[in-house]
Amino acid sequence: LAKITQPISMDSYEGQEVNITCSHNNIATNDYITWYQQFPSQGPRFIIQGYKTKVTNEVAFLFIPADRKSSTLSLPRVSLSDTAVYYCLVGPGPMSTGFQKLVFGTGTRLLVSP
Amino acid sequence: DTGVSQNPRHKITKRGQNVTFRCDPISEHNRLYWYRQTLGQGPEFLTYFQNEAQLEKSRLLSDRFSAERPKGSFSTLEIQRTEQGDSAMYLCASSFDARVAKNIQYFGAGTRLSVL
Repeated sequence: LAKITQPISMDSYEGQEVNITCSHNNIATNDYITWYQQFPSQGPRFIIQGYKTKVTNEVAFLFIPADRKSSTLSLPRVSLSDTAVYYCLVGPGPMSTGFQKLVFGTGTRLLVSP
Repeated sequence: DTGVSQNPRHKITKRGQNVTFRCDPISEHNRLYWYRQTLGQGPEFLTYFQNEAQLEKSRLLSDRFSAERPKGSFSTLEIQRTEQGDSAMYLCASSFDARVAKNIQYFGAGTRLSVL
C-alpha cells in the first residue's frame, strides 16, 4: 500500500494562497492522486484529481512532479469557509479497480483566520 | 437526487448487539463503497460493490461484518456482536463507472456508531 504523509495542520489568513503537499513515495504506476475536503460531521467532498503534471479546475490547482512521489494542492485566495481537513488519496483512477490499495492520508487541518 | 444518503446518522448500541446501516447511493451510480473513519484519521476502505456484486473486501472487514447491495441499488452494512473498537464513523460513497468520467467518489454524511 502507498504510504502517504501530509502536514498535520496549517494556518492561513483570508485572501492568501495555501499550498498543501502530500508525499506518496511508493505510488504505483496506475495510481491516481485525488484530494478531498471534509468538514466536521460530513463526508469527504471531491476537490481535484490528477495523474501527472498540472491539473486545474474552478476551485484548486494540483501540481504533480514527473516522479509522482508527491503532489501539491493549491487553494488560491482562501476564505473562512475553506477551514476544513484536506485529504490526499492515492488509488485507482478512471475505469480501474483494486480499491484495497486505496489509501487516504491522515489529513491536513487547515485553519483560515480573518 | 440530492446525493448519497445514509441512515441512521447516529447509532448508540451496547456491546454484543447487532447493528445495521443503510446507504442510498446517487441513483445512476453503479459503484458503491463503504469506509470506516476513526477520530483524527482518514477513511479506511472496507468494501466495494459494482452493481449488486461485492467485488472487493478489505482485511479490516472481519467475519462480524457483512455488506449487501440487493438489486444494485441501496446497500446495508451489518455489524454483528459489536465491540467497543467498532465505534467509528461509517461512510458510504458511490461513483459512476464510465469511460470518460473520473472515478470520483461522492460521499454520504456517514453513520456515527458508538458502542458502549
